[in-house]
Amino acid sequence: KQEVTQIPAALSVPEGENLVLNCSFTDSAIYNLQWFRQDPGKGLTSLLLIQSSQREQTSGRLNASLDKSSGRSTLYIAASQPGDSATYLCAVPTSGTYKYIFGTGTRLKVLA
Amino acid sequence: NAGVTQTPKFRVLKTGQSMTLLCAQDMNHEYMYWYRQDPGMGLRLIHYSVGEGTTAKGEVPDGYNVSRLKKQNFLLGLESAAPSQTSVYFCASSDTGELFFGEGSRLTVL
Repeated sequence: KQEVTQIPAALSVPEGENLVLNCSFTDSAIYNLQWFRQDPGKGLTSLLLIQSSQREQTSGRLNASLDKSSGRSTLYIAASQPGDSATYLCAVPTSGTYKYIFGTGTRLKVLA
Repeated sequence: NAGVTQTPKFRVLKTGQSMTLLCAQDMNHEYMYWYRQDPGMGLRLIHYSVGEGTTAKGEVPDGYNVSRLKKQNFLLGLESAAPSQTSVYFCASSDTGELFFGEGSRLTVL
């Protein structure tokens, strides 16, 4: 059974800081992993999708890495801004299926 | 350019009433999902479908039923609503593995 953990649960940083969010999963036989952003009271916005054959994926100030062997993915946010304040979630499929399991998220606050 | 559309956006029910949430996608995706999101619990998968006419149970299926009679639509039904089903419900679809989400439906059961 796939279990997904995100640490830390909450993070508060000053503007301009580089930061790393973590996502751990128990079943490493996955074919992709997806990172999302969720603003309060809103839906989920896809940030990055990493295929199992990739080790990294980049979009602007965001960089996501995937290490299947250790069951970990990290989301790196460079030069954080107050507009980055949101909850960040990772989603991982259960082995051999398209059934996606989510972590409980990291609530990020970037202080101006 | 609709993507994934959920209706209704908000609904208030009394205990024991029934209702149906509709999810429609215009991307010709095979896979569709219903999740619920509760404070501190993250998103939990209720039911999902891997194609027209198919459905399967997720992590928290009890009290819900689903149907996928048409490829573009995925319906989530509550036969007898309970206060524990107060939540925000999200529908998603995918084809190549990337999930696309609707904006959510906020359901309150009194």
